[in-house]
Amino acid sequence: QKEVEQNSGPLSVPEGAIASLNCTYSDRGSQSFFWYRQYSGKSPELIMFIYSNGDKEDGRFTAQLNKASQYVSLLIRDSQPSDSATYLCAVNIGADGLTFGKGTHLIIQP
Amino acid sequence: DTEVTQTPKHLVMGMTNKKSLKCEQHMGHRAMYWYKQKAKKPPELMFVYSYEKLSINESVPSRFSPECPNSSLLNLHLHALQPEDSALYLCASSQDRSGVNEKLFFGSGTQLSVL
Repeated sequence: QKEVEQNSGPLSVPEGAIASLNCTYSDRGSQSFFWYRQYSGKSPELIMFIYSNGDKEDGRFTAQLNKASQYVSLLIRDSQPSDSATYLCAVNIGADGLTFGKGTHLIIQP
Repeated sequence: DTEVTQTPKHLVMGMTNKKSLKCEQHMGHRAMYWYKQKAKKPPELMFVYSYEKLSINESVPSRFSPECPNSSLLNLHLHALQPEDSALYLCASSQDRSGVNEKLFFGSGTQLSVL
């Protein structure tokens, strides 16, 4: 069974600190990895994607991928209260399309 | 235009009603998706159209009927729904279904309540 696992949280981080969100996946054939942010009552918004091992940075966001460990993470630097949301990890597993994790609820404390 | 537009934003329907959800994108994307999302749960894939052909149907009950009239439009026809079908229905599109291009862009969703 193809699974994407995330800690549901809530994860509470002080404003200005680094928030670290983690995701593991079960299928070694997974090719593409995505992070979506979803505010309460809104639709998911793509914030990062990564395909190759290593780090990918975009502004305050860094995605990290380790295919050997089947692990993908999202770091948010200088966390702001507006970063408070649910973060969904999604993994592309061949023809079956994206499989979403259950999401991590992040709270940035002012 | 980088938007996926969904209508209506809210819908209340009885169990005997027939209604349709509509979705439109003008990004030239060739894959379109319907997801269902319950509160505090991740989106669940319902249907995928790729190049206007249905490529995935995740064993969705027949009271949900998708339609893709052209590459920009996607409909979801609803008939004889149950109260447990109440959820946020999300449309999404992507460039195509090759792994690196399957970045989903979501519409704002239709909040459906079945009475």
